[in-house]
Amino acid sequence: GQQLNQSPQSMFIQEGEDVSMNCTSSSIFNTWLWYKQDPGEGPVLLIALYKAGELTSNGRLTAQFGITRKDSFLNISASIPSDVGIYFCAGQPNTGTASKLTFGTGTRLQVTL
Amino acid sequence: DTAVSQTPKYLVTQMGNDKSIKCEQNLGHDTMYWYKQDSKKFLKIMFSYNNKELIINETVPNRFSPKSPDKAHLNLHINSLELGDSAVYFCASSQEWRRSDTQYFGPGTRLTVL
Repeated sequence: GQQLNQSPQSMFIQEGEDVSMNCTSSSIFNTWLWYKQDPGEGPVLLIALYKAGELTSNGRLTAQFGITRKDSFLNISASIPSDVGIYFCAGQPNTGTASKLTFGTGTRLQVTL
Repeated sequence: DTAVSQTPKYLVTQMGNDKSIKCEQNLGHDTMYWYKQDSKKFLKIMFSYNNKELIINETVPNRFSPKSPDKAHLNLHINSLELGDSAVYFCASSQEWRRSDTQYFGPGTRLTVL
């Protein structure tokens, strides 16, 4: 089945640094989402993107919907220790339908002081 | 006042047993989901129910049977447990089936089959 590949698989950065990660697909998605999973918890939605080329921010997080509709990017500025967790992209082929979410392979982020 | 809750949090059982995981949401949502997260953290949908009716059924062994007594509850029953069933199972909900992009996840149930 479809799979979204995320890069990098894991990152180990210092507090205050900016972080970039991306997600690529072999097929087109019309909705892109970014979720974060804290240890021992379920994923939480961070940002939703509905239009190719769209750039959306949520605090220190900024995500972009790639113009090819086959990729998306997430940036975190000035990282802090609570940014630790696994970041998942997710894609949905059609907006406003019962179509399932396909999740990416995840990027594990660790932040040191 | 947890939005999506699951019980139990941890479940350890022997191969061949039958077990159930319960999920409840107090958000007033119409649509609920079950996901399986494997040891590599890959998250894959198993089922989705909208107002107690099955709308998504992925290729899941028929040993797995979801049951939705009302739209606030979606339970997962697993028969004849196998080693490969060991994983974290997440329940989620969304306002309606058209808003399946915005899902609220429960804390997960870690199932270990020995």
